[in-house]
Amino acid sequence: DIQMTQSPSTLSASVGDRVTITCRASQSISTWLAWYQQKPGTAPKVLIYEASSLESGVPSRFSGSGSGTEFTLTISSLQPDDFATYYCQKYNSYFGQGTKLEIK
Amino acid sequence: EVRLVESGGGWVQPGGSLKLSCATSGFTFSSYWMSWVRQAPGKGLEWVANIKEDGSEKYYVDSVKGRFTISRDNAKNSLYLQMNSLRAEDTAVYYCVANAKWGQGTMVTVSS
Repeated sequence: DIQMTQSPSTLSASVGDRVTITCRASQSISTWLAWYQQKPGTAPKVLIYEASSLESGVPSRFSGSGSGTEFTLTISSLQPDDFATYYCQKYNSYFGQGTKLEIK
Repeated sequence: EVRLVESGGGWVQPGGSLKLSCATSGFTFSSYWMSWVRQAPGKGLEWVANIKEDGSEKYYVDSVKGRFTISRDNAKNSLYLQMNSLRAEDTAVYYCVANAKWGQGTMVTVSS
């Protein structure tokens, strides 16, 4: 089974900061990766699909990159609405452990 | 508009059974792999099972193999999850997922 390892598990940052979250797959998954944002009590919302494609309606400060086994989600300038938990997922399969983005 | 609506959750004693359903609309159901994902209280997301477009392939996380069965009815645009021999650790919100679109979830509580 493919394992998805996400880091860091917690990230403290300030409004306006640039932040990067990393996701590693235990074997190559090409670009079959999605990034989700989840806020408490709500279903996850897709931000990025196929590793680097921005979902319609998602602000352009979110970007994704990578292929094979190494992937990153970058938020170029944090906004107050971005403080949430982020997950990577191999399509139709395993998730990373999640990254909780907190206000510093 | 894509809609996924889960139902069938509730409270059950350990060892009991529940069947979850997911009614979908707004997309061509028969063209997509479908998944069940769960989230235990205060925990992360866990993929549970998925099923190919025509139902010919099914995959499960190890912790539910032999106890849960995923199925679909393409004529009814619906996805199902039969859960048997339920354990306390199966307590979670269960989500139906299609092509990165999610339902609102249904809560399953396993407790005596």
